[in-house]
Amino acid sequence: DAGVTQSPTHLIKTRGQQVTLRCSPKSGHDTVSWYQQALGQGPQFIFQYYEEEERQRGNFPDRFSGHQFPNYSSELNVNALLLGDSALYLCASSSLLRDSVSNTEAFFGQGTRLTVV
Amino acid sequence: SQKIEQNSEALNIQEGKTATLTCNYTNYSPAYLQWYRQDPGRGPVFLLLIRENEKEKRKERLKVTFDTTLKQSLFHITASQPADSATYLCFSGGYNKLIFGAGTRLAVHP
Repeated sequence: DAGVTQSPTHLIKTRGQQVTLRCSPKSGHDTVSWYQQALGQGPQFIFQYYEEEERQRGNFPDRFSGHQFPNYSSELNVNALLLGDSALYLCASSSLLRDSVSNTEAFFGQGTRLTVV
Repeated sequence: SQKIEQNSEALNIQEGKTATLTCNYTNYSPAYLQWYRQDPGRGPVFLLLIRENEKEKRKERLKVTFDTTLKQSLFHITASQPADSATYLCFSGGYNKLIFGAGTRLAVHP
């Protein structure tokens, strides 16, 4: 059973460009969350997708957008890249508990290391 | 704003001792807290989840407590080993925004 897979593993982009990162959740999971982790800091929540809709969103500008497909896989898009967008981008999959409030434990992918030059 | 704070200073302990890491939350009441381990360059790995109505949870050498009065969770690793060296992250979710602490780096010395 494959866990969470992310692609690509590393990426170098130029300021102003656009990037798309991809995530396939663990089998049986229906919820995908995206995080940005700068060096030496904890992951910062970007947004969460459930049933192909954005369920929650953190404090990130509209340049960050996402999508979830019917097979539960997800994409993170970042437009007009800034140097400060350089970070490790983590995808986590989980299942919403029946109360639809809590998440079960999240399984993380290895992340995509994005460098903006 | 809702916040999770962990001790930013690295914790250095001797092999065999108990490591205790602290997670404090402010301006909200999480329904549960989770603890993750993260090794350099890798994604976090889930360790334990504790709900607000649970005082303590154990898994092998790991123990986590949840004190809603102090707004604090403690994470203990007993009989620590050099292989336990990593960064440990505290996390909360639910209807609140999904929040990670900055993590505490643990170094276990032989």
